[in-house]
Amino acid sequence: GAVVSQHPSWVICKSGTSVKIECRSLDFQATTMFWYRQFPKQSLMLMATSNEGSKATYEQGVEKDKFLINHASLTLSTLTVTSAHPEDSSFYICSASVQGHRGTEAFFGQGTRLTVV
Amino acid sequence: AQSVTQLDSHVSVSEGTPVLLRCNYSSSYSPSLFWYVQHPNKGLQLLLKYTSAATLVKGINGFEAEFKKSETSFHLTKPSAHMSDAAEYFCVVSTGGYNKLIFGAGTRLAVHP
Repeated sequence: GAVVSQHPSWVICKSGTSVKIECRSLDFQATTMFWYRQFPKQSLMLMATSNEGSKATYEQGVEKDKFLINHASLTLSTLTVTSAHPEDSSFYICSASVQGHRGTEAFFGQGTRLTVV
Repeated sequence: AQSVTQLDSHVSVSEGTPVLLRCNYSSSYSPSLFWYVQHPNKGLQLLLKYTSAATLVKGINGFEAEFKKSETSFHLTKPSAHMSDAAEYFCVVSTGGYNKLIFGAGTRLAVHP
C-alpha cells in the first residue's frame, strides 16, 4: 500500500517555542491530507483538512493561528504548533487519501509525540 | 451526529483462541465503517471496511467484521489469535468517505502464549 511518512516521531520542546511536524506521501500524490490529535487513552480527533495550494479547513474549536498548516506541494503537508504550551502535549497523526483499485483508502503516518516542558 | 463506542478498552486472550472486539456506532446516515490497527510506534493500518455492500466483511490477517444495522454494531472477530495480533484497534465511522473519520477510543489487544 501507499506510504505516509511523518517526521519527527517524537519531539520535546520548551514552552513558548514552535514545533514543525512534516507529513509526506512517499509514493503517491495527495491533494488532501488530514491532521489528527490523540490524547492519552482517547480517540483520534480530526483537527484540520489540509488542501494543496489552498488554506486548510479547521474543525470547530481548533485554533488556526496556533496550529498552522501548510500544504505547499502534492507530497508534503506541515503542521506547526506555535508558541507551544504543556497543554499542547499530545500525539499528532497525519493521513492522506488515495484512490486505488479498491476504492478510496486512507493511509496514516506513524505519528508524532509532542511533549512541551 | 456520528459517534462510535468501543465497549472494551482492553482485551486479553490466549494464543489460538478467538478474538472479539466490540464496536457500536451511531449515525444519522448510512455509515461507512472501518477497523484500523496500530502497532507500537507505527501508523494505522486498515484491517477492513464496510461501505454498504456485503454485511460480513473480510479483512487482512484473518480478521472479519459483521455489520448489524438492527444492533448498530460492527464487531471485529478472528477465529484464532496470533501473538503478532497484539496491538491497538480502532473502530471508525464516516458518512463522507475519508473526509470525516470519527474514531473510537481504541481497544488494546493482548495475546498471551
